[in-house]
Amino acid sequence: DTEVTQTPKHLVMGMTNKKSLKCEQHMGHRAMYWYKQKAKKPPELMFVYSYEKLSINESVPSRFSPECPNSSLLNLHLHALQPEDSALYLCASSRFGTGGSGELFFGSGTQLSVL
Amino acid sequence: KNEVEQSPQNLTAQEGEFITINCSYSVGISALHWLQQHPGGGIVSLFMLSSGKKKHGRLIATINIQEKHSSLHITASHPRDSAVYICAVRGGADGLTFGKGTHLIIQP
Repeated sequence: DTEVTQTPKHLVMGMTNKKSLKCEQHMGHRAMYWYKQKAKKPPELMFVYSYEKLSINESVPSRFSPECPNSSLLNLHLHALQPEDSALYLCASSRFGTGGSGELFFGSGTQLSVL
Repeated sequence: KNEVEQSPQNLTAQEGEFITINCSYSVGISALHWLQQHPGGGIVSLFMLSSGKKKHGRLIATINIQEKHSSLHITASHPRDSAVYICAVRGGADGLTFGKGTHLIIQP
């Protein structure tokens, strides 16, 4: 199994809603990542979890709250988002944790629209 | 911070042509990735390179560490190769620094 699975594939939410994005991998990878990608732009790193601990938070607003319940799962909890948060949210994993140089495997993303 | 430059930004070619996409970066790296993204879709990792050359099917990737430069080649291009190709580098910290991507269109 070399897949990173993201759910849901599409999400529409209002600015007062609370929703969560889910990411799962069963490759035994110890680093997991959240990226945000606006249309026609490269992905921007949001968070990195290394060995289930948050190792990097790229100054992301608190309306985005990551969670890593175990080494296979990564969630992104969303609350009080703004329309400018509409984007493709990509999850990725790699074999090694902080400082490692393993290949990144990406999920297919969640296309989020905030109304 | 590493600066990653890709060229060309846009490329339209005819089916069967040999395609080259270039990537240069400013600071030493531990690895370089070539990624493929179809419109509205997720990202597929094509290659991870730290030296030399790799080949997979019709795709070839090379890297010159001394010159801080990598190329992605597609032989016998096909319309299904139409996608955005992204170069990304990994330095000491986690995550990747991405280039802006090359939008490739292969016409039948």
